[in-house]
Amino acid sequence: QSALTQPRSVSGSPGQSVTISCTGTSSDVGAYNYVSWYQQHPGKAPKLMIYDVSKRPSGVPDRFSGSKSGNTASLTISGLQAEDEADYYCCSYAATYTDVFGTGTKVTVL
Amino acid sequence: EVQLVESGGGLVQPGGSLRLSCAASGFTFNNDWMTWVRQAPGKGLEWVASIKQDGSEKLYVDSVKGRFTISRDNPKNSLYLQMNSLRVEDTAVYYCARATAVAAWGNWGQGTLVTVSS
Repeated sequence: QSALTQPRSVSGSPGQSVTISCTGTSSDVGAYNYVSWYQQHPGKAPKLMIYDVSKRPSGVPDRFSGSKSGNTASLTISGLQAEDEADYYCCSYAATYTDVFGTGTKVTVL
Repeated sequence: EVQLVESGGGLVQPGGSLRLSCAASGFTFNNDWMTWVRQAPGKGLEWVASIKQDGSEKLYVDSVKGRFTISRDNPKNSLYLQMNSLRVEDTAVYYCARATAVAAWGNWGQGTLVTVSS
C-alpha cells in the first residue's frame, strides 16, 4: 500500500496549461481504470475533480481533464486560473481491494 | 443537498481510544460505500477504511488493522470509526466521505481533528 508518486509542485501562468503525473504500479493505476483526482484548498475538505480516469462530475469545469497510460495517470488543467491554485491528489483502486492516494502536488499560479 | 458531519475528535493519550461519528443526510445512505480518509498535519491524504452498503465488507489500510473498526448504522444514517490503541502517528484530521463511483469519493465532511499526545 505505497502511496502513488506525484511531483511535489508544478506552476504556470494564468491561461497556460499544467499537467500533474501520478505514477503507480501494475497492481493499482496500471490494473484498473479507477483513478480519481481531488483538489484541496488550504483548510478545506478535498473536492472530487475527475473519476474513472477521465470523467468529470457535474459542476467541474471542462478545463480539467484526465488520462492514463500504463502505470501513470495524468491531470491536465488548461487555461489556468488563479482559483486553481491548490493541492491536488490522485487516487487509485488497488488489487488489494483498497484505495491508495498519491503524495500530492501543489499547483502555483504565477 | 448532501451533508456529512463528523464529530468525536479530540485529544487522547497514546494507547487510548476514541470513536468518530459521521452523520449523513441528503442522499440514500444505504445505497453507497462509505469511507474514512485522514490527513496528518501538513501531510497528504491517506485512505483509512471503507465499508460496503450493508456493512458486510470492511477494508482497512495495513497500519490500522486490528486497532480501528469501521461500522455503520443505516437506519440512523451514520458512519463510525472506533479507534483503539491510538498512536502518536494517528494524529490527523479524519474525513468521512461517500462513494459516487469506484475509488471516487464525491462528497466529504468538514473533518474532525484527532490529536494523540501525552
